[in-house]
Amino acid sequence: ELKVEQNPLFLSMQEGKNYTIYCNYSTTSDRLYWYRQDPGKSLESLFVLLSNGAVKQEGRLMASLDTKARLSTLHITAAVHDLSATYFCAVARSYNTDKLIFGTGTRLQVFP
Amino acid sequence: DSGVTQTPKHLITATGQRVTLRCSPRSGDLSVYWYQQSLDQGLQFLIQYYNGEERAKGNILERFSAQQFPDLHSELNLSSLELGDSALYFCASTPDPMLNTEAFFGQGTRLTVV
Repeated sequence: ELKVEQNPLFLSMQEGKNYTIYCNYSTTSDRLYWYRQDPGKSLESLFVLLSNGAVKQEGRLMASLDTKARLSTLHITAAVHDLSATYFCAVARSYNTDKLIFGTGTRLQVFP
Repeated sequence: DSGVTQTPKHLITATGQRVTLRCSPRSGDLSVYWYQQSLDQGLQFLIQYYNGEERAKGNILERFSAQQFPDLHSELNLSSLELGDSALYFCASTPDPMLNTEAFFGQGTRLTVV
């Protein structure tokens, strides 16, 4: 059974600092997604990572994928308050279905 | 706006009742997915339909059922409701599982069972 683990579960960081969220998954998959969720809101797609070594950047967020290590990272550079949200990684298991197995989520709070 | 529409946004009902949640996918998307988000279980995949047919099933309870209609909208039926069914239910859609695109999520239906 595919399992997806994220750490940390909760992250409180000061504005301007850098940090990394880790996402480990238990079985082979070449598709990994990062989503953002604001409290009580929907999930917003951030990144789609489809191959080993893939790296994508958008603003202060950068995501990478290492399929051999079954690890993805979401790096936050010079955090700002607007980045406060819960971040989920999700893995797709097979190519005839896009069903996503989600990680536990990392709740990020950025304070002044 | 993701283009995925869910109704209703909020639903409060009593234990033992039955409710229907509705989802309209993005224009052109053939796949619809249902997810349940709760504090204790996190985000759980329930079921997927592709072009009217069931494609994948997750840990969906027997009291729950879903279908996708010819116009591609989908409904999730929850019956014999229990307090533990209170959760946020999301619908998501993709054009085709083979295209490796991300799933776009609706705003969700918050179900409260009292």
